[in-house]
Amino acid sequence: DTAVSQTPKYLVTQMGNDKSIKCEQNLGHDTMYWYKQDSKKFLKIMFSYNNKELIINETVPNRFSPKSPDKAHLNLHINSLELGDSAVYFCASSPHSGGADEQYFGPGTRLTVT
Amino acid sequence: QKEVEQDPGPLSVPEGAIVSLNCTYSNSAFQYFMWYRQYSRKGPELLMYTYSSGNKEDGRFTAQVDKSSKYISLFIRDSQPSDSATYLCAMSESYQFYFGTGTSLTVIP
Repeated sequence: DTAVSQTPKYLVTQMGNDKSIKCEQNLGHDTMYWYKQDSKKFLKIMFSYNNKELIINETVPNRFSPKSPDKAHLNLHINSLELGDSAVYFCASSPHSGGADEQYFGPGTRLTVT
Repeated sequence: QKEVEQDPGPLSVPEGAIVSLNCTYSNSAFQYFMWYRQYSRKGPELLMYTYSSGNKEDGRFTAQVDKSSKYISLFIRDSQPSDSATYLCAMSESYQFYFGTGTSLTVIP
């Protein structure tokens, strides 16, 4: 069974559209994350979230919003997509909520904005 | 200055060689240190995870942390073609995670 799964795997859309990427983890972890990996392979955290706290990277535009219907899911909603949003987006989860520890990543969603 | 610095390579070695991958960091508050392996078009996979200074060994992999120098290393012994991937160092404190840019490694049979 896949530990951290994301859908869709590929997403091609036009500028100005709104899209969502879904993430689910079956590891029973308390904390989930969204990362953006650009064309130079640089991985940058966007959000971390558990049932108590959402921490937002201050550089993330407010067009991006995480939504968590329950502990096992953290979806990423993006409004008014821009060309610069093209990247691979990774969801991750970690077991503990009180501090930092190892993370387990999903397979990624490759977003292309035309 | 970036929080984490990592030489992007690329690094190319013959099969069986010992590989040394390194990262430096500037934030002395970092407490957790990790190495990830990322194959092309896949998500990063956790290889090693350490909390304190010193060495940690797992099979052919050894992670080394020197907090006084703000320097971490990953050694791969008896490298195999299947080790060809991008290796990312990462470090964290509280909920803040910072990744290096990754080092691309190719092991030639």
